[in-house]
Amino acid sequence: TQLLKQSPQFLSIQEGENLTVYCNSSSVFSSLQWYRQEPGEGPVLLVTVVTGGEVKKLKRLTFQFGDARKDSSLHITAAQPGDTGLYLCAGTNMEYGNKLVFGAGTILRVKS
Amino acid sequence: DAGVIQSPRHEVTEMGQEVTLRCKPISGHDYLFWYRQTMMRGLELLIYFNNNVPIDDSGMPEDRFSAKMPNASFSTLKIQPSEPRDSAVYFCASSRLRLAGGNEQFFGPGTRLTVL
Repeated sequence: TQLLKQSPQFLSIQEGENLTVYCNSSSVFSSLQWYRQEPGEGPVLLVTVVTGGEVKKLKRLTFQFGDARKDSSLHITAAQPGDTGLYLCAGTNMEYGNKLVFGAGTILRVKS
Repeated sequence: DAGVIQSPRHEVTEMGQEVTLRCKPISGHDYLFWYRQTMMRGLELLIYFNNNVPIDDSGMPEDRFSAKMPNASFSTLKIQPSEPRDSAVYFCASSRLRLAGGNEQFFGPGTRLTVL
């Protein structure tokens, strides 16, 4: 059973379109991270959110942490082919010590 | 800094053989993690170390898997004997303890293991 559920599992869109990826759980997390992984490489951290309701922006990417710290979303505006990759959310809480609990990921493909 | 270094990048072996994967974490990082990634199961934590001491190995699938960290700059993950179902990409990651704000993990490029 995946503690963090990501949706959708796969997304194929045209360049210029907007999209949102979701990460949901029934557990509360002290922090939540989003990573992006490109083929043949390891995941790379995009952002960490720690406060309920927090919104962070990274160029065309907007990350939000739910008020109850159980869910998060990643919104991409005007997607580019360079945004193609696997997006992973990962959470930490006291119950899991210093471990990160990863979601299954969302595969994003942006076509030009 | 060169980042997390893993070797080999690719390993093809036959069932029953011993496989050793190697990792050099980022200097100054006191946590080291070993993960396995497959299409079916995603990214799974196998074991992690703090200051070279194994803290949690609950993700190690079975006794065929073992991991060591003899010093702060080197770790190995060994599979003996290997089986076809062990085929996956194995990642090593390291991080530095932060009291708040989440701990960013820096991942290596991975070792793609194929067991025939």
